[in-house]
Amino acid sequence: GAVVSQHPSWVICKSGTSVKIECRSLDFQATTMFWYRQFPKQSLMLMATSNEGSKATYEQGVEKDKFLINHASLTLSTLTVTSAHPEDSSFYICSARDPPREQFFGPGTRLTVL
Amino acid sequence: AQSVTQLDSQVPVFEEAPVELRCNYSSSVSVYLFWYVQYPNQGLQLLLKYLSGSTLVKGINGFEAEFNKSQTSFHLRKPSVHISDTAEYFCAVSVSRDDKIIFGKGTRLHILP
Repeated sequence: GAVVSQHPSWVICKSGTSVKIECRSLDFQATTMFWYRQFPKQSLMLMATSNEGSKATYEQGVEKDKFLINHASLTLSTLTVTSAHPEDSSFYICSARDPPREQFFGPGTRLTVL
Repeated sequence: AQSVTQLDSQVPVFEEAPVELRCNYSSSVSVYLFWYVQYPNQGLQLLLKYLSGSTLVKGINGFEAEFNKSQTSFHLRKPSVHISDTAEYFCAVSVSRDDKIIFGKGTRLHILP
């Protein structure tokens, strides 16, 4: 149990376009989901905390208008990278909390912006 | 604020030898501690966690870690490593009343034949 999926697993887009990444909890309801980004050979940096039915809480330095997060249901959160640029290329990982257990992580989405 | 320090960015070790990956944390409140493993181009897999109780925690794949409050450490150990243990290992901390997980910078474990 406690499986988290992400779609797509890999996406390439042109600079200036927007990309949506989905994060789903497959067998549990997640009131809270988290979005991380990971640059090559670096650690995971928390971008935002997403709560179902409310606005996401962004970490300091993360642009809210660039990284749009929507948590419309208890099993789905989406991250939209708007007007993507090459510097947004990264590995994006989501996690979902299954209380009282800990967070479970998705397999990640690799974004490459040309 | 909480922080995690992984002292070694890379650790080479011969196959079947023991290994210890070091982790120290900083927090003014009680914490939950985790070790995650990340294989190339994959997400994170939980190895083990310390929430409360016994300070020696056993995880998957033969790994264990010991919580030492006085030294604010949570070092990961395995008595005999295998080639398949080659991966990136992340130590992480979460505050009891806060769901955010703060990760260390990671330690790359190289298994030498």
